[in-house]
Amino acid sequence: ETGVTQTPRHLVMGMTNKKSLKCEQHLGHNAMYWYKQSAKKPLELMFVYNFKEQTENNSVPSRFSPECPNSSHLFLHLHTLQPEDSALYLCASSQEGPGHKDVSYGYTFGSGTRLTVV
Amino acid sequence: AQSVTQLDSQVPVFEEAPVELRCNYSSSVSVYLFWYVQYPNQGLQLLLKYLSGSTLVKGINGFEAEFNKSQTSFHLRKPSVHISDTAEYFCAVEGGNKLTFGTGTQLKVEL
Repeated sequence: ETGVTQTPRHLVMGMTNKKSLKCEQHLGHNAMYWYKQSAKKPLELMFVYNFKEQTENNSVPSRFSPECPNSSHLFLHLHTLQPEDSALYLCASSQEGPGHKDVSYGYTFGSGTRLTVV
Repeated sequence: AQSVTQLDSQVPVFEEAPVELRCNYSSSVSVYLFWYVQYPNQGLQLLLKYLSGSTLVKGINGFEAEFNKSQTSFHLRKPSVHISDTAEYFCAVEGGNKLTFGTGTQLKVEL
């Protein structure tokens, strides 16, 4: 399997539930990202992991908890979400490092998880 | 800090007509520029990128974009669109290892 794979594709959860989104990349990249895509708004960068270390957290509420056990896997743990958290959550990966942009192809995105909080 | 502006939220066009999707950016550092396409219920797919060199960049599916530094623009063009080009298109700028997206332009190709 190639590219970036996200599971599940669709998720409906209650505000008191706990669930996790999974992302797996088969590209040998060393950086992974979580983005939130809401209607009529720009994609919002949530978290960045570089070499498994979190390098950015864009003021994301603590009800979202990322985990990166290795450079190929990225999780987003969800608990006590709000209806306004309903969105498409996209995972991406890239190869970061000196000169990478001349040989890489930008960020590679997964197909996303459509999350609905009820 | 950097930002991306896509002035047109929707662009309707007839099949086989040319189209231009506008993108302007601002940044305090040198940037790389990208266009992504998102088909319904799918993730983002890279169309083309500008890193350096020739200001006219050709991408997949017959799209091209021109980097204009003086006007801080990176408009996307296609001389003849097809029904299958109906999708949302996102312009993005990367500077300082951070990728910032515009709000997207919905291209709707009609018969």
